[in-house]
Amino acid sequence: DQQVKQNSPSLSVQEGRISILNCDYTNSMFDYFLWYKKYPAEGPTFLISISSIKDKNEDGRFTVFLNKSAKHLSLHIVPSQPGDSAVYFCAAYGGATNKLIFGTGTLLAVQP
Amino acid sequence: AAGVIQSPRHLIKEKRETATLKCYPIPRHDTVYWYQQGPGQDPQFLISFYEKMQSDKGSIPDRFSAQQFSDYHSELNMSSLELGDSALYFCASSLGPSRAPFSSYNSPLHFGNGTRLTVT
Repeated sequence: DQQVKQNSPSLSVQEGRISILNCDYTNSMFDYFLWYKKYPAEGPTFLISISSIKDKNEDGRFTVFLNKSAKHLSLHIVPSQPGDSAVYFCAAYGGATNKLIFGTGTLLAVQP
Repeated sequence: AAGVIQSPRHLIKEKRETATLKCYPIPRHDTVYWYQQGPGQDPQFLISFYEKMQSDKGSIPDRFSAQQFSDYHSELNMSSLELGDSALYFCASSLGPSRAPFSSYNSPLHFGNGTRLTVT
C-alpha cells in the first residue's frame, strides 16, 4: 500500500525553465511533508519541507505547494539548472510515528 | 560539515551468511534510522533508535536486528541472508526524534551515502 505516490517516474526539462514535480498521498494523518534530492551513489539530501498548516514554502529556487483537500503537493524549481538533475523523493510524516514515508521518486533531467 | 558515515560502502555476501552494517551519525545527533532501498524502489523504513532505545519499527525482517550504542553509532545485523536482501541500506540521523515542525530540538533526517549489499 503506497501511501505516498509520485506518478511520474521521470521528467525532462530545458535549462532555465520551470520543473514541476508532483506528489500525492493517501493518509490524512500526514501533517508534514519533505522533498529529498538524490544523486547516484549518494544518500538522499533534504531540500525543503512544508507543514500542513501552510500551503506554500519557498527557499531560493525551490517552492513547495500543498493542497490538503486534494492530498497533493508539488515542488517547483525555477529556473532549472543541469545540476538539478537527480531523483527527487517526496516524503511525509504523520500521526505519532517518527518514521518518514517516501514516495517512489521522480528522475529529473535538466537539458542544457 | 560532518555527515552521516556508513561502512562499508559495498558488501558482497553469500546466501545464509551474516552481515553487519555500521552507521555513525552526525555529531550531536541522537536518533538513527535505517532504510532499505531495493532496485527501482523507494526507501523503506526498517527501524529507528532514540537515545539507544528502539523508537519505531517498520518492515524489518526477524532475521535482522539493530542497536544503538552509547556513542550513538548504530549497527544493523543481518543473518541468514537471502537473495532478496540485496539492496542499498541507508542510515539517517537526526537531532531528537524527527517530528515536525523542526526546531532547535529536532531536525530533518540527514542520510548517509548507503551500503550496497549484494547477496549471491
